[in-house]
Amino acid sequence: RKEVEQDPGPFNVPEGATVAFNCTYSNSASQSFFWYRQDCRKEPKLLMSVYSSGNEDGRFTAQLNRASQYISLLIRDSKLSDSATYLCVYSSASKIIFGSGTRLSIRP
Amino acid sequence: EAGVAQSPRYKIIEKRQSVAFWCNPISGHATLYWYQQILGQGPKLLIQFQNNGVVDDSQLPKDRFSAERLKGVDSTLKIQPAKLEDSAVYLCASSLVLGAPLHFGNGTRLTVT
Repeated sequence: RKEVEQDPGPFNVPEGATVAFNCTYSNSASQSFFWYRQDCRKEPKLLMSVYSSGNEDGRFTAQLNRASQYISLLIRDSKLSDSATYLCVYSSASKIIFGSGTRLSIRP
Repeated sequence: EAGVAQSPRYKIIEKRQSVAFWCNPISGHATLYWYQQILGQGPKLLIQFQNNGVVDDSQLPKDRFSAERLKGVDSTLKIQPAKLEDSAVYLCASSLVLGAPLHFGNGTRLTVT
């Protein structure tokens, strides 16, 4: 089993729609979780950290479910500029592991 | 704040040649990472340094890849000899401490022909 698993997509949704991705992880000792965004031919950039209580940043909401070992990202009122690959990341005491990413394409 | 600097941006070499990449992390960041990202995949950790010590190099193909961070600041990643399957983007990242969010450089796009 992969350490981090994500649905590769692509998710193709209309502008204004709400879209959600899940990411499962296998290491129960994982301590920190993040969502990164990667545009085509660019480096990954931190989108948001994921806290146990869940957190929201504008149109983006991240949730962590430790019992089921998954994290989620919800994007509301999606914009064309949200088109990108979203990478799920967890870190344990000594390493940071990236998922393969979920491709999102927003259409007008 | 200056970001993570990497060079070169692009490199094209023939198989069996050698190549080196350079990374300068954000000032004060103790942890430095080298990732390999093949097209369509997520970044794969090659090696992680804490200051000038190696924390994790379990996925580094040590028969051909080497990396160092001698003074705990800049780092170089070397491939010798290169294979076709080494074609990828090599990303350097740094973080303030272990477990903190990573900041990536622009990456070096390597093509091996």
